[in-house]
Amino acid sequence: DAGITQSPRHKVTETGTPVTLRCHQTENHRYMYWYRQDPGHGLRLIHYSYGVKDTDKGEVSDGYSVSRSKTEDFLLTLESATSSQTSVYFCAISDVPGTGGEQYFGPGTRLTVT
Amino acid sequence: KNQVEQSPQSLIILEGKNCTLQCNYTVSPFSNLRWYKQDTGRGPVSLTIMTFSENTKSNGRYTATLDADTKQSSLHITASQLSDSASYICVVSAERGGNKLTFGTGTQLKVEL
Repeated sequence: DAGITQSPRHKVTETGTPVTLRCHQTENHRYMYWYRQDPGHGLRLIHYSYGVKDTDKGEVSDGYSVSRSKTEDFLLTLESATSSQTSVYFCAISDVPGTGGEQYFGPGTRLTVT
Repeated sequence: KNQVEQSPQSLIILEGKNCTLQCNYTVSPFSNLRWYKQDTGRGPVSLTIMTFSENTKSNGRYTATLDADTKQSSLHITASQLSDSASYICVVSAERGGNKLTFGTGTQLKVEL
C-alpha cells in the first residue's frame, strides 16, 4: 500500500458523534486525497490537499472537514456523524498535481454509523 | 455529466481461462484512463494508465486497450489465476491539471478451480 496507513481500520460510532480518520504517508508526496466507496457508486472524492494547510473540496464534501498540518498526515473529520456516512474511506497520495499521475491508495477505513 | 460504465458487473471464469472486461466512458475532454485492481478489503492498486495516444498497454498478464474515438477501453486477462479474483475498476481523468477522476463501479471477477 505504497507507504500509506490509515487509522482506525474499522470503527463503529453512533449518530451525532464526531469522528476523525487519519491518513499517514511515508512517501513525502505533496498531494493527498480522501475518497469514499459505497455499493453501486464508484469512488467519490471528498476533499484533497495540495500541500500543508492547503486543502479544497471534492464532489461530496458536505458534512466533512479536513486538516493537514504536516506533509505526512491528512485528517478527515465528520463533525456529527450520520448514517449516510457509513462507508469505506480511502486515502490516496500522489507526487504529481491534478490527474496526470498515479494515485496510490491506502488500505481503507470501514466506518459504520448506527 | 461525466460517466464511466463497466461491464459485466460480475464474472466467473475457470482458472487458466482468458477474459475481457469492458469500460465505456463519456468523460470529456479526455486526459487519461486507468485500470485498478481492488482485492477484497484492500485499496485499489494501479494496473495501467493510458493517455490519448496509447492504444494498448500491458502489465504482465493484463493488457489494456483504448479507443479514444469510440470512448471505449477493455482489460484483457490472460491465463487467469486464483489471485486475479478481485474488482477491476476503470477510472477516467477529465482534464490535465484538475483533480477530478471519474470512477466506474467495477467488474467483480471470480476465478475458480
